[in-house]
Amino acid sequence: DIQMTQSPSSLSASVGDRVTITCRASQGIGNALAWYRQKPGKAPKRLIYDASTLQRGVPSRFGGSGSGTEFTLTISSLQPEDFATYYCLQYYGYPRTFGQGTKVDIK
Amino acid sequence: EVQLVESGGGLVQPGGSLSLSCAASGFTFSDYWMSWVRQAPGKGLEWVANIKHDGGEKHYVDSVKGRFTISRDNAKNSLYLQMSTLRPEDTAVYYCARHGGPVGDYWGQGTLVTVSS
Repeated sequence: DIQMTQSPSSLSASVGDRVTITCRASQGIGNALAWYRQKPGKAPKRLIYDASTLQRGVPSRFGGSGSGTEFTLTISSLQPEDFATYYCLQYYGYPRTFGQGTKVDIK
Repeated sequence: EVQLVESGGGLVQPGGSLSLSCAASGFTFSDYWMSWVRQAPGKGLEWVANIKHDGGEKHYVDSVKGRFTISRDNAKNSLYLQMSTLRPEDTAVYYCARHGGPVGDYWGQGTLVTVSS
């Protein structure tokens, strides 16, 4: 199985901060990576797919980059609704595997 | 408007069975792969299974192979997950999700399955 390792596991930030979350794959996955945001008690919401393609309707403050084994989600200016948990997902191989999550909370 | 509505969750004893359903509306169901994703209480997301548009291809995570069966009825716009030989570690909220590209451009609200005696 392809293991996905996110870092950090948690971070504290303020509204307006630039935030970067990293996801590393245990083997090369090309650009077969998606990012999701999940608020407590809610279903996940897809933000990015194909490593860098912004999901329609998602604000442009979200950006994704990377290929192969290292990927980054950047939030350019953190908004109140962005305090949540973020997950990466690889869809290069089966089983599909998520990272363990990165919780972003208020500093 | 795309909607996915799961049902069928509940309390079941270890070793028991349960069947989940996901009713889809607002899109042409037969055009899309579909997945089940679960989340144990306080834990992260785990992909469980997916199924091709016509049901002709299915994939599972190893921990549910031989115990869970994913299926669909395109005439009824419905996705199913038949779960048997349930274990306490199967306790989770189960989400159905549409594949617009990769999994999860739309998700249901989830249904809670609790496996406990």
